[in-house]
Amino acid sequence: EPEVTQTPSHQVTQMGQEVILRCVPISNHLYFYWYRQILGQKVEFLVSFYNNEISEKSEIFDDQFSVERPDGSNFTLKIRSTKLEDSAMYFCASAGTSWAEKLFFGSGTQLSVL
Amino acid sequence: GQQVMQIPQYQHVQEGEDFTTYCNSSTTLSNIQWYKQRPGGHPVFLIQLVKSGEVKKQKRLTFQFGEAKKNSSLHITATQTTDVGTYFCAGLNYGQNFVFGPGTRLSVLP
Repeated sequence: EPEVTQTPSHQVTQMGQEVILRCVPISNHLYFYWYRQILGQKVEFLVSFYNNEISEKSEIFDDQFSVERPDGSNFTLKIRSTKLEDSAMYFCASAGTSWAEKLFFGSGTQLSVL
Repeated sequence: GQQVMQIPQYQHVQEGEDFTTYCNSSTTLSNIQWYKQRPGGHPVFLIQLVKSGEVKKQKRLTFQFGEAKKNSSLHITATQTTDVGTYFCAGLNYGQNFVFGPGTRLSVLP
């Protein structure tokens, strides 16, 4: 089965530093998402992206967050100035041809902010 | 905003026992999905329900969508150790993103 790939698998950074989390969605998918999960807690929606623009974003996705699809294959999440509370597992997901299709999740990037 | 709740938060069962998790939404849903996350893994899609009152089965798993499209359940018959993990429901309320419930963590004792 096709896979969503995420890099790196682990990222450790100092508070206040910028991080970029990278994702390669499934090649023919059109809808892209970032979710995050703090250890042992729920999967929280951050942002959805379609047709090269943000479709929806949650309250968590403030001005410190941005997303890009720079080259038609990669989908990145940037956190400009990380905070301790940004520590979490960040999952990228993609879906095929509509919002209502199943989500394919990547294996995640564990972000630790020190 | 839309809220999705699940009960129980944790469930410990003996292998061979049945297990049920319940999902409730504060708003009417257009559809609902169920995902399984193994320890240390990522959510993996199990099923999607769209119609009011819909029931779907996958081997030992039975999924149900309520008549009012505000609740759903997942029932596992005769649990096995491979069923261990956290089961999440995720509801779509005619918007553009799925809101996940907090999940039910299932432990199966051999």
